[in-house]
Amino acid sequence: KAGVTQTPRYLIKTRGQQVTLSCSPISGHRSVSWYQQTPGQGLQFLFEYFSETQRNKGNFPGRFSGRQFSNSRSEMNVSTLELGDSALYLCASSLFGGDGLARDDTQYFGPGTRLTVL
Amino acid sequence: ELKVEQNPLFLSMQEGKNYTIYCNYSTTSDRLYWYRQDPGKSLESLFVLLSNGAVKQEGRLMASLDTKARLSTLHITAAVHDLSATYFCAVRHDKIIFGKGTRLHILP
Repeated sequence: KAGVTQTPRYLIKTRGQQVTLSCSPISGHRSVSWYQQTPGQGLQFLFEYFSETQRNKGNFPGRFSGRQFSNSRSEMNVSTLELGDSALYLCASSLFGGDGLARDDTQYFGPGTRLTVL
Repeated sequence: ELKVEQNPLFLSMQEGKNYTIYCNYSTTSDRLYWYRQDPGKSLESLFVLLSNGAVKQEGRLMASLDTKARLSTLHITAAVHDLSATYFCAVRHDKIIFGKGTRLHILP
């Protein structure tokens, strides 16, 4: 079974630009979460989607947005990029059912997208 | 708001020794996860602990959960160099919150 894939793997942008990152979950997984990882702040939760609905959102400004498609693929968008947005963006998929009943909701992480903002 | 604290944050230890990483969390939860991350790599799931008293073991790693104390431990037995990595615990309380990670360096 193929793992979680993320594209692109590396991205260099300049301040003020916008960026879209893509995540394809493991087949059968309907829950997708996004995280930002930086050396200073560690792993911070961005969003969680289940069946095209955003279930949760972390404490990030409105410049960060996301969506999930009917095939469970997800995208996140960052507009008006700032230097501080430079980070590794990780996507994870799981069998989490949105209702707390999935007993093993292990998150399987993709390789990440390394975003550098100049 | 849920807070997840790991300690220690850095750990350097000799091969063959035992040690424990602690994960405390602030709000009731019955799901706790342990992950491993190698430098420059993504996260790999190690354990999912779903109930009070849960204990799981894989090789030299053993994880346990005490939901009453809001504490999980990751115990390393007879450490080997290959276990050098950063270990994260995470807790689900609606959303999943990660600890800051414990960077483990095992000296040969």
